[in-house]
Amino acid sequence: SQELEQSPQSLIVQEGKNLTINCTSSKTLYGLYWYKQKYGEGLIFLMMLQKGGEEKSHEKITAKLDEKKQQSSLHITASQPSHAGIYLCGADIVAYKYIFGTGTRLKVLA
Amino acid sequence: NAGVTQTPKFQVLKTGQSMTLQCAQDMNHEYMSWYRQDPGMGLRLIHYSVGAGITDQGEVPNGYNVSRSTTEDFPLRLLSAAPSQTSVYFCASSISTGAGANVLTFGAGSRLTVL
Repeated sequence: SQELEQSPQSLIVQEGKNLTINCTSSKTLYGLYWYKQKYGEGLIFLMMLQKGGEEKSHEKITAKLDEKKQQSSLHITASQPSHAGIYLCGADIVAYKYIFGTGTRLKVLA
Repeated sequence: NAGVTQTPKFQVLKTGQSMTLQCAQDMNHEYMSWYRQDPGMGLRLIHYSVGAGITDQGEVPNGYNVSRSTTEDFPLRLLSAAPSQTSVYFCASSISTGAGANVLTFGAGSRLTVL
């Protein structure tokens, strides 16, 4: 069973539109991490959330972790073609053992 | 600064052959790990290490061996390749071994096909 549920699985948006990706766990997380993967490449770290209610932003991407530390959202404002790729949430529920969601494929149409 | 280096990038094997995927990092990271990425399955942890001489199993360890003789290197060995091991493999490392503060640095991946 997938311990981190990610939705939607894929997303196609017009350039300039906002979008949200969700990541949900049935367990309380030590930390929640967001990564981006360009097609055919490795993962690049975006943001880490550790505290319940925490929110972080970088350029046009904002990530939030709910108070219970079981759900996170990644919001992109005014999407651009450079935002295209696969977004994955990751978490360490148990020390040293990292799990990932199945990923969200984002395509941004120019 | 090279980060995490994986070799080879591509490999085709026949069923039953053995091979080693190499992973090296130059950041003095204690934690290193191997993942496989399959369509619809996300990334799954194969093996990990919290320091030289210390390794442990992840979610999908069967068919794979690892060792960690130095801080820098963490090779993944396939002893007898099977078609089910066709996948993209990623090595990742982290400076921290503590839960909740474990930002991973990934290699570029190794695409393995087993015929």
